[in-house]
Amino acid sequence: QQQVKQSPQSLIVQKGGIPIINCAYENTAFDYFPWYQQFPGKGPALLIAIRPDVSEKKEGRFTISFNKSAKQFSLHIRDSQPGDSTTYFCAALRGNTPLVFGKGTRLSVIA
Amino acid sequence: DAGVIQSPRHEVTEMGQEVTLRCKPISGHNSLFWYRQTMMRGLELLIYFNNNVPIDDSGMPEDRFSAKMPNASFSTLKIQPSEPRDSAVYFCASSLEGRSNQPQHFGDGTRLSIL
Repeated sequence: QQQVKQSPQSLIVQKGGIPIINCAYENTAFDYFPWYQQFPGKGPALLIAIRPDVSEKKEGRFTISFNKSAKQFSLHIRDSQPGDSTTYFCAALRGNTPLVFGKGTRLSVIA
Repeated sequence: DAGVIQSPRHEVTEMGQEVTLRCKPISGHNSLFWYRQTMMRGLELLIYFNNNVPIDDSGMPEDRFSAKMPNASFSTLKIQPSEPRDSAVYFCASSLEGRSNQPQHFGDGTRLSIL
């Protein structure tokens, strides 16, 4: 049973656009929602994370929006650049248990 | 500061051979995780350790897989005998538990190909 559903599988945007990647979770006990960025040949790297007591978190060009009632959260990338082209994973965590990952979104930013 | 170090980075071997993957977690981290990544199944947790003790190995696919953590700075994942369907990228990650919501830091993985 997949506990974190991520969409879309792939996404193409023009440079400067705002790609949005969405995730939905089922377990209301999750209390930490990170996003990871993975470049080819590398391991996933933590990009930004949010806790359910806030509705939005911004770090640079990256923003997480969180909707607790809908059990959904999303990643927005402002002023997207070709260098942002890679795979993004959402994840969820409860306490000190291991992360549960979404299936990933492959983003392509075209100039 | 050194991150999580995995070796080898690539491994190609024939079906039936024993494969050993190695991981050195970040110094001071007390939790270690082994994941497998494939196109079909994404990132799957295989097993995780807390203070060198295996906590949950329910993700280990079969008895052919085993993992050990003899000390705080080293872990191995062994596959014996290996099969072509074991081909994947295997990641090790570590974190500092005891405080909630600590992010996991990943190594760059071992790309395993079983012929």
